[in-house]
Amino acid sequence: KQEVTQIPAALSVPEGENLVLNCSFTDSAIYNLQWFRQDPGKGLTSLLLIQSSQREQTSGRLNASLDKSSGRSTLYIAASQPGDSATYLCAVRTKTSYDKVIFGPGTSLSVIP
Amino acid sequence: GAVVSQHPSRVICKSGTSVKIECRSLDFQATTMFWYRQFPKQSLMLMATSNEGSKATYEQGVEKDKFLINHASLTLSTLTVTSAHPEDSSFYICSAELAGGHRYQETQYFGPGTRLLVL
Repeated sequence: KQEVTQIPAALSVPEGENLVLNCSFTDSAIYNLQWFRQDPGKGLTSLLLIQSSQREQTSGRLNASLDKSSGRSTLYIAASQPGDSATYLCAVRTKTSYDKVIFGPGTSLSVIP
Repeated sequence: GAVVSQHPSRVICKSGTSVKIECRSLDFQATTMFWYRQFPKQSLMLMATSNEGSKATYEQGVEKDKFLINHASLTLSTLTVTSAHPEDSSFYICSAELAGGHRYQETQYFGPGTRLLVL
């Protein structure tokens, strides 16, 4: 059974810092991994999607890496801004279990001005 | 990008009543839609997978007679919470996949969510 964990659970940083969010998954048989952002009381916004054959994806100040063999992904946020404050969720689409998408518990990020 | 809408965005109802939530893909056709539930300060939990024209597939522990799902067209799926109780209060989010193409490479597009409060 696929399990997804995220470290840290919460993070508070001063504006301008670079930061790394971590995601781990137990079953490496995945199709893809996706990072989302969720603002309080809102739905999900897709940030980056990495296919299993890829090692990283970049969008603006965001960079996500994938090491499928070790079951890890990182989301790197450069030059953090207060507007980056949100909960960040990673989700893997697993080849087993009827190709379900399994979400991690999320990392709550607070960027202090 | 692809847009998914949900209606209503928020609903308050009395215990014992039924509530219907709609999920629509606005500018694309979706063969498959997914329904998730999110309790406060927790992550999303998949409830069921909805395929157009066929019965939904429910996750273990989700009562199919309580959470009725109808995927009548390629742009609409509905979730009906029957005889709702306070413990059903939650944030319900749907997502949709583009029809056709390489399915497992497709991203899911998420709706904005529906907050249900059962009194």
